[in-house]
Amino acid sequence: GAVVSQHPSRVICKSGTSVKIECRSLDFQATTMFWYRQFPKQSLMLMATSNEGSKATYEQGVEKDKFLINHASLTLSTLTVTSAHPEDSSFYICSASGGAGANVLTFGAGSRLTVL
Amino acid sequence: QKEVEQNSGPLSVPEGAIASLNCTYSDRGSQSFFWYRQYSGKSPELIMFIYSNGDKEDGRFTAQLNKASQYVSLLIRDSQPSDSATYLCAVWSGTYKYIFGTGTRLKVLA
Repeated sequence: GAVVSQHPSRVICKSGTSVKIECRSLDFQATTMFWYRQFPKQSLMLMATSNEGSKATYEQGVEKDKFLINHASLTLSTLTVTSAHPEDSSFYICSASGGAGANVLTFGAGSRLTVL
Repeated sequence: QKEVEQNSGPLSVPEGAIASLNCTYSDRGSQSFFWYRQYSGKSPELIMFIYSNGDKEDGRFTAQLNKASQYVSLLIRDSQPSDSATYLCAVWSGTYKYIFGTGTRLKVLA
């Protein structure tokens, strides 16, 4: 079945540092990947849509200079949280479409970011 | 504003009972419908998808779609404590946009 690998699963960093999260589709090519953010007991919030070879499309209110997204190949998208602050602490989840069936989203395991 | 609505719950059912989870959506052009399960602290995992009106069964799970009423549901037969989780309804409207509901928290009581 379709597998999306996301690393790291947990990261703790100091305020002001940058953190990169990788998302890979292991057994299918993903022209489109999605990045979500989820706070405790809240719903998924779409941050951006990442298309291979082009600039990401960010949702309203998401700072593109803060959350850098790169989709350099059909199997890899990265999210870099630049100059992280404690309010950026959250659960970040990537997903990719098309692996498990037409328009089916497969999620990575998520990355829990804690900024001290 | 395209929306997907779910009752947040919690929905409590005894072990062995049928759990019924409901979802309504606002965009009549929606084409694909998904149910995901999310355990606390984990990412969502796909349970079922349905594209056509009617029922689709997979093991203990049945998804039901009624496009005229803009309604999709998930039935879980013989509910187990391990089914306790938040169930997310998602809709794809053909523009690479997936709209998620806020989820229904299900508690299966042993």
